[in-house]
Amino acid sequence: DVKVTQSSRYLVKRTGEKVFLECVQDMDHENMFWYRQDPGLGLRLIYFSYDVKMKEKGDIPEGYSVSREKKERFSLILESASTNQTSMYLCASSTIPGLAGGEQYFGPGTRLTVT
Amino acid sequence: LAKTTQPISMDSYEGQEVNITCSHNNIATNDYITWYQQFPSQGPRFIIQGYKTKVTNEVASLFIPADRKSSTLSLPRVSLSDTAVYYCLVGRMDTGRRALTFGSGTRLQVQP
Repeated sequence: DVKVTQSSRYLVKRTGEKVFLECVQDMDHENMFWYRQDPGLGLRLIYFSYDVKMKEKGDIPEGYSVSREKKERFSLILESASTNQTSMYLCASSTIPGLAGGEQYFGPGTRLTVT
Repeated sequence: LAKTTQPISMDSYEGQEVNITCSHNNIATNDYITWYQQFPSQGPRFIIQGYKTKVTNEVASLFIPADRKSSTLSLPRVSLSDTAVYYCLVGRMDTGRRALTFGSGTRLQVQP
């Protein structure tokens, strides 16, 4: 079975802190994604990566950056956390060809609270 | 980006067929349609994907009319364990058009 793991299920950070959310997949997938999920807004794509060191902005990249140094790992970085970044963050991976993102496999999510 | 619209919630009873429709009026020619299921405290899980007409797998069917401006996920004979949020996703990831748009989800409540 494909497994996507995220470094933390719950995280509490203070405004202005630099925050790292880590995601690891074990199926050698080329594509990896970061979404945030908020009530009433569904899932919104922040960034995605289709290869090592390659990244592209999604719908809401402002305030975020990403890093993909190894194929299995995709990191989401909040350079200076703000309270409006309090949310559930979901990581996903999929194979190429990624039609509609292919069949995306999601991690369990990280609930981040910024105080 | 193809914006998607789904009903916020639906109610059903065990054993009934449930149809959830997603509207995507500005879907692009090469976009695919994918549906996901999400339980509380879990990430979404893939259900089915299609491009046109009808697709069926062991858990659901996906109906897509000729104009592709909407799609309908059909769940046959639902059970209590089908209570979840269902998301419609439209887009594709190949070179030149890397766009994915999730709907805001439909909360399905199945009653005994």
